[in-house]
Amino acid sequence: AQSVTQLGSHVSVSEGALVLLRCNYSSSVPPYLFWYVQYPNQGLQLLLKYTSAATLVKGINGFEAEFKKSETSFHLTKPSAHMSDAAEYFCAVSERGSQGNLIFGKGTKLSVKP
Amino acid sequence: ETGVTQSPTHLIKTRGQQVTLRCSSQSGHNTVSWYQQALGQGPQFIFQYYREEENGRGNFPPRFSGLQFPNYSSELNVNALELDDSALYLCASRLGGPNYGYTFGSGTRLTVV
Repeated sequence: AQSVTQLGSHVSVSEGALVLLRCNYSSSVPPYLFWYVQYPNQGLQLLLKYTSAATLVKGINGFEAEFKKSETSFHLTKPSAHMSDAAEYFCAVSERGSQGNLIFGKGTKLSVKP
Repeated sequence: ETGVTQSPTHLIKTRGQQVTLRCSSQSGHNTVSWYQQALGQGPQFIFQYYREEENGRGNFPPRFSGLQFPNYSSELNVNALELDDSALYLCASRLGGPNYGYTFGSGTRLTVV
């Protein structure tokens, strides 16, 4: 069965530093890949998605992610962290040919220090 | 766009009771899914509806059931509530196929005591 692994349940960076949140998937056939952000007491907001066009995907709020088939990875990055980026981030996959339900990782909580 | 709205935002129920959670999706979003998010976990897929028919289900027992209506609203019903049902329940809808990505509501926080 398809699974998603997010390395690091908690990542802490300083304001202005690089943000790197890791995501690996298990499928041998590249799935659709998504990153969502969740602020406290809110639902999930789509940051970006990979659906087989360009492997480097740009999203909202300055985030981007690169799909690497050889590494089965879809890591999320942002060059310079802002205090408002503090939130929980979820990587999710949807298998091609399926009904499209999302399989989520356990999430990574990002803290940003002043 | 009006987004996805869920009601109520918070709910407290007693073990053994039944609960109905409601969701109103964006116009044109024919696919709606429900997810359960336990504290500190990622969302878990409950089931999905497309044009009022269930077309996918996760690993949840039959006491979790749903309905989707022609006006893009939907319901999640849970019977015989258990303490472990305490979670944030998220409704999500999408406009097209799986590559579109879902729009999520803010969720209903259910506490079972």
